[in-house]
Amino acid sequence: QKEVEQDPGPLSVPEGAIVSLNCTYSNSAFQYFMWYRQYSRKGPELLMYTYSSGNKEDGRFTAQVDKSSKYISLFIRDSQPSDSATYLCAMSAIQGAQKLVFGQGTRLTINP
Amino acid sequence: DTGVSQNPRHKITKRGQNVTFRCDPISEHNRLYWYRQTLGQGPEFLTYFQNEAQLEKSRLLSDRFSAERPKGSFSTLEIQRTEQGDSAMYLCASSLGEDSEKLFFGSGTQLSVL
Repeated sequence: QKEVEQDPGPLSVPEGAIVSLNCTYSNSAFQYFMWYRQYSRKGPELLMYTYSSGNKEDGRFTAQVDKSSKYISLFIRDSQPSDSATYLCAMSAIQGAQKLVFGQGTRLTINP
Repeated sequence: DTGVSQNPRHKITKRGQNVTFRCDPISEHNRLYWYRQTLGQGPEFLTYFQNEAQLEKSRLLSDRFSAERPKGSFSTLEIQRTEQGDSAMYLCASSLGEDSEKLFFGSGTQLSVL
């Protein structure tokens, strides 16, 4: 069993929809949670970073962490075609970016 | 462009050959990371450097793999006696400071072993 599980999709939604992306994990030592966006043939780009449980909002993006359920989510409001990409969750047990454990990635398409 | 630069972008090689990839991090970043990503999977940690010191290596990094970062600037990743299972995207990333959570990734080197 993988430490981090993420539904690979693909997920296809119409423009303007609210998108929900999720990851579950098994390692209770994880305390730092990130969401990366990866466009085709590009490296991942950090979108959101949260520590421990709670919510964090940045523009159209909201990240939620529920450590009791070992479950994290990323919500995208008012989705745009430019949001079409693969979204990767990543986690770490220690502060700093070293040795991140990534999920498989969810491929998202926003249809105009 | 002052981002992380990786060369070459693509490499095709025959099984058994040696290959070397180069990564130039963002100039002021003291940490440099190598990850490997196969199709449909997330990146997997391989190794990282703080300045010129290699601080951790994943068990994924077999004896055929070696990484260096002389003088704490650019880094090279060499794979000896390549195998078809080595085919993947090799991603380099850098960050500033020990506690920085923000990794800046390059666009990767896509390796195909025939």
